[in-house]
Amino acid sequence: NAGVMQNPRHLVRRRGQEARLRCSPMKGHSHVYWYRQLPEEGLKFMVYLQKENIIDESGMPKERFSAEFPKEGPSILRIQQVVRGDSAAYFCASSQGQGATGNTIYFGEGSWLTVV
Amino acid sequence: KQEVTQIPAALSVPEGENLVLNCSFTDSAIYNLQWFRQDPGKGLTSLLLIQSSQREQTSGRLNASLDKSSGRSTLYIAASQPGDSATYLCAVSKAAGNKLTFGGGTRVLVKP
Repeated sequence: NAGVMQNPRHLVRRRGQEARLRCSPMKGHSHVYWYRQLPEEGLKFMVYLQKENIIDESGMPKERFSAEFPKEGPSILRIQQVVRGDSAAYFCASSQGQGATGNTIYFGEGSWLTVV
Repeated sequence: KQEVTQIPAALSVPEGENLVLNCSFTDSAIYNLQWFRQDPGKGLTSLLLIQSSQREQTSGRLNASLDKSSGRSTLYIAASQPGDSATYLCAVSKAAGNKLTFGGGTRVLVKP
């Protein structure tokens, strides 16, 4: 059973460009979460999605950031008009979301965004 | 607002010594607490998950305790090995939706 797959692993963008990060959850998982880890800081929750629904986006910056989890295909975290402060590791995680063991959360290897 | 603190921020021990990592949280109304391991440039690996109704969980050399009323959890790693060198993160969730609040982590170095 493949784990949570994220791509690209590393992405370099110039200021003002768009960054798209993809996440395929573990097989059988319908809950996806995005977290951001800024340099020398801890992980911060960004958004929680289920298929075609945003459940909680309380951690998303108000502008330039959006996320989706379509019926088919991976979840996408999109950052428009990137700035240097967006440079970070972006982690996707997934869970089954049912019952005690279903709440165990599995993280991907992360996507490292560098804005130059 | 939930805040999670991990002390110490860094720890260096000789191989074979037991490790004790501390995690405290300000809001005791948690759903569960998880301990993760993160290697440099890598994602997070879940080590132990403790439900709010549980007092501890064990897996091999790892044991995690939870005292919800005092807002504390401790991760014990017995007989440490160089391969245990990593950053250890604790995180709490308030509800089943798994919106986790993370501590800043403890960076562990086990010297051969």
